Amino acid sequence: AAGVIQSPRHLIKEKRETATLKCYPIPRHDTVYWYQQGPGQDPQFLISFYEKMQSDKGSIPDRFSAQQFSDYHSELNMSSLELGDSALYFCASSTHPYEQYFGPGTRLTVT
Amino acid sequence: KNEVEQSPQNLTAQEGEFITINCSYSVGISALHWLQQHPGGGIVSLFMLSSGKKKHGRLIATINIQEKHSSLHITASHPRDSAVYICAVRFWAGGGADGLTFGKGTHLIIQP
Repeated sequence: AAGVIQSPRHLIKEKRETATLKCYPIPRHDTVYWYQQGPGQDPQFLISFYEKMQSDKGSIPDRFSAQQFSDYHSELNMSSLELGDSALYFCASSTHPYEQYFGPGTRLTVT
Repeated sequence: KNEVEQSPQNLTAQEGEFITINCSYSVGISALHWLQQHPGGGIVSLFMLSSGKKKHGRLIATINIQEKHSSLHITASHPRDSAVYICAVRFWAGGGADGLTFGKGTHLIIQP
């Protein structure tokens, strides 16, 4: 069965650079969620989209933005990267408002 | 503040033992998820519950809405069950695709 796809799987950036993470939901899923999991931390909700509109907002820094496109894929844009942004970024998708299926994550390292 | 508490934080057991992991939450929810995460790895959704009980193979999840409590049980545990088990809830927030609030996870080790 098709799963949530995230790219890239690993990303290394320097401080103050920008990064774009991509998420491709399971086919026919209309909702995408982004989560951030710092080292040794539990995941924290960042933002979600339902039918291409922002639906809920968590602890997403102002330096980050995201959107969901017409094909339902989503991108998380991160600017002015800081060392503290190093984390595993998960995307999940669902048919609203049902069970969320998680992608494998993108591991971002900021040096 | 909306909170999710899990216990125990760490659990080591012998192969074949019956395992129980508990989760309690502070206010009303629309759904509760049990997730599994291997070290350095991705998150796998085991169950989503809004009431009652669900079973999948050796895994059983129950929820008591009145008591704001859920349990995850593993029968006939096996070393491959070793992982972090996370309880995550969607608190009522007036609708929308609300994000999950996660517990701190239970680190389970099953020894052969």
